[in-house]
Amino acid sequence: DTAVSQTPKYLVTQMGNDKSIKCEQNLGHDTMYWYKQDSKKFLKIMFSYNNKELIINETVPNRFSPKSPDKAHLNLHINSLELGDSAVYFCASSQEWGGTSPSRGYTFGSGTRLTVV
Amino acid sequence: AQKITQTQPGMFVQEKEAVTLDCTYDTSDPSYGLFWYKQPSSGEMIFLIYQGSYDQQNATEGRYSLNFQKARKSANLVISASQLGDSAMYFCAMREVNDYKLSFGAGTTVTVRA
Repeated sequence: DTAVSQTPKYLVTQMGNDKSIKCEQNLGHDTMYWYKQDSKKFLKIMFSYNNKELIINETVPNRFSPKSPDKAHLNLHINSLELGDSAVYFCASSQEWGGTSPSRGYTFGSGTRLTVV
Repeated sequence: AQKITQTQPGMFVQEKEAVTLDCTYDTSDPSYGLFWYKQPSSGEMIFLIYQGSYDQQNATEGRYSLNFQKARKSANLVISASQLGDSAMYFCAMREVNDYKLSFGAGTTVTVRA
């Protein structure tokens, strides 16, 4: 009955490899996100999809490519991994705006710790 | 420009005492939401409390309360009767009505001493 689930939880890989992180939510939310938490614990938005449409694409290297096959899934594929990609990646989902007030329904997955060696 | 500022990188608090974590924000949107999240050493992000910009009263959730001062653009989190399990990193975040994303502060690490 997990609300937002990410796999894998840990990922250790060599430089230059390509890897994917998967995310699924069963909350019926329309919007999904990828956040990156760096070594200093700072959280920064990477991408957001609303109903399978890309709506936020921050200044992220184009080695990172999100894919949303349906509104319940948002995957993150990373090509040619670099040492600096080592971080914790969080998937999250949220409801649409309710009237004039932001929704409080913002739910995070448990994170994927990516280590590039 | 930084939208959320948390000026306390780390704090120590004695068990059973209250602690206040500071958060100031910057926005020109009249409609926004303010959030606090807890991140324990296990790494997950746990939602604690929410305050809407139009809410007249300060939000409370159990031992957590949010001291919302709109004119000063501050949204401080108060944890009452601290417990050892409250030791964690705490993040303040904001979502503006014209934006989907949450913007986070740098976080405050709280260590509760027995």
